[in-house]
Amino acid sequence: AQSVTQPDIHITVSEGASLELRCNYSYGATPYLFWYVQSPGQGLQLLLKYFSGDTLVQGIKGFEAEFKRSQSSFNLRKPSVHWSDAAEYFCAVAFVSGGSYIPTFGRGTSLIVHP
Amino acid sequence: DAGVIQSPRHEVTEMGQEVTLRCKPISGHNSLFWYRQTMMRGLELLIYFNNNVPIDDSGMPEDRFSAKMPNASFSTLKIQPSEPRDSAVYFCASSLETSGYNEQFFGPGTRLTVL
Repeated sequence: AQSVTQPDIHITVSEGASLELRCNYSYGATPYLFWYVQSPGQGLQLLLKYFSGDTLVQGIKGFEAEFKRSQSSFNLRKPSVHWSDAAEYFCAVAFVSGGSYIPTFGRGTSLIVHP
Repeated sequence: DAGVIQSPRHEVTEMGQEVTLRCKPISGHNSLFWYRQTMMRGLELLIYFNNNVPIDDSGMPEDRFSAKMPNASFSTLKIQPSEPRDSAVYFCASSLETSGYNEQFFGPGTRLTVL
């Protein structure tokens, strides 16, 4: 069965600093990997996804993620964090069931941004 | 487009009462997903529909939970009778399923509190 681990429950960074959120997955086949962001009181929004090809994926809001098969990781990065990036971030791996791609989500990492 | 619409946004009820959560997917989307988010268990998929047909309900926790999708523009998630441990945020998401993965668009969620 597939699983996703986000080892950091909380991450605190200063505005302008770089950011890396960790994600490790367990999946028996080629994974489809995603990062979502959830702002307070909102639903999840897709930041970026990886299916195949270039292992460095660019997303919205200046985020990127790198797929490393040897480490089973898909870490999310941003070179300079803005206060508006404070939110909950979820990594997910998708499998195919009944013709649909069903994501399994990690527990999330809460990002706190200090001014 | 208004996005995925969920109602109510907040629901407070007493144990034993029936609770009905509602979802209107994005027009034209043919897949609909119900998720539950709690601190203890994170984000869990409860059930999903494809073209109004339930495909996988293995995530529904108990027989007290039921979901319907009578047409392409409306779905309900019902809990009868409700219990305090059902307190959570319930999300509805929709997508346009074709031959590959398509982004799930999440609604703002319904925060359910069972006293």
